[in-house]
Amino acid sequence: AQSVSQHNHHVILSEAASLELGCNYSYGGTVNLFWYVQYPGQHLQLLLKYFSGDPLVKGIKGFEAEFIKSKFSFNLRKPSVQWSDTAEYFCAVVDSGAGSYQLTFGKGTKLSVIP
Amino acid sequence: DTGVSQDPRHKITKRGQNVTFRCDPISEHNRLYWYRQTLGQGPEFLTYFQNEAQLEKSRLLSDRFSAERPKGSFSTLEIQRTEQGDSAMYLCASSSDRASSEQYFGPGTRLTVT
Repeated sequence: AQSVSQHNHHVILSEAASLELGCNYSYGGTVNLFWYVQYPGQHLQLLLKYFSGDPLVKGIKGFEAEFIKSKFSFNLRKPSVQWSDTAEYFCAVVDSGAGSYQLTFGKGTKLSVIP
Repeated sequence: DTGVSQDPRHKITKRGQNVTFRCDPISEHNRLYWYRQTLGQGPEFLTYFQNEAQLEKSRLLSDRFSAERPKGSFSTLEIQRTEQGDSAMYLCASSSDRASSEQYFGPGTRLTVT
């Protein structure tokens, strides 16, 4: 079965610092990749997704992610974080090559941005 | 609000009781998913419906769990003879059947089994 690793449990940054959150999935084949965000007190929302094409994906609120197939990675980046980015971030994968639609999530990374 | 809705938002029950949760997906979505999330973990897949047909079930979905989507619209998830280990957030999501469709999540039902 597919699994997803998120390298950082809790990241603390000052405003305007750059962000990179790591995400690796366990094996290859055709996959669809997602980053979801959960702001305090709110439900999961999609930040960005990769299905095919350009491996550099741009999402909402200035976030982007790069799919590197050879490294089984889909790291999330933002050049300059804001206090409002404080949230928990989840990487997820769908093993679309196996005909599945279930999302397999990582454990999440909590981001705290200090004003 | 046309998002995914779930009811109730919170449920406290005693061990051994049965509970039922409801999910109303986005109206034009024909796929519906149930996930469970415990503290410090990401959501874990439980089951998936395409219209009224239940097409995938996780090994996490024990005999005590049953899900239905009788008319291909709303869905219910029932847990019989609840155990303390069932305490979790139960999330519902829906999507269209377009190739590049993402899943939209509801606010979840938090279950506490005492």
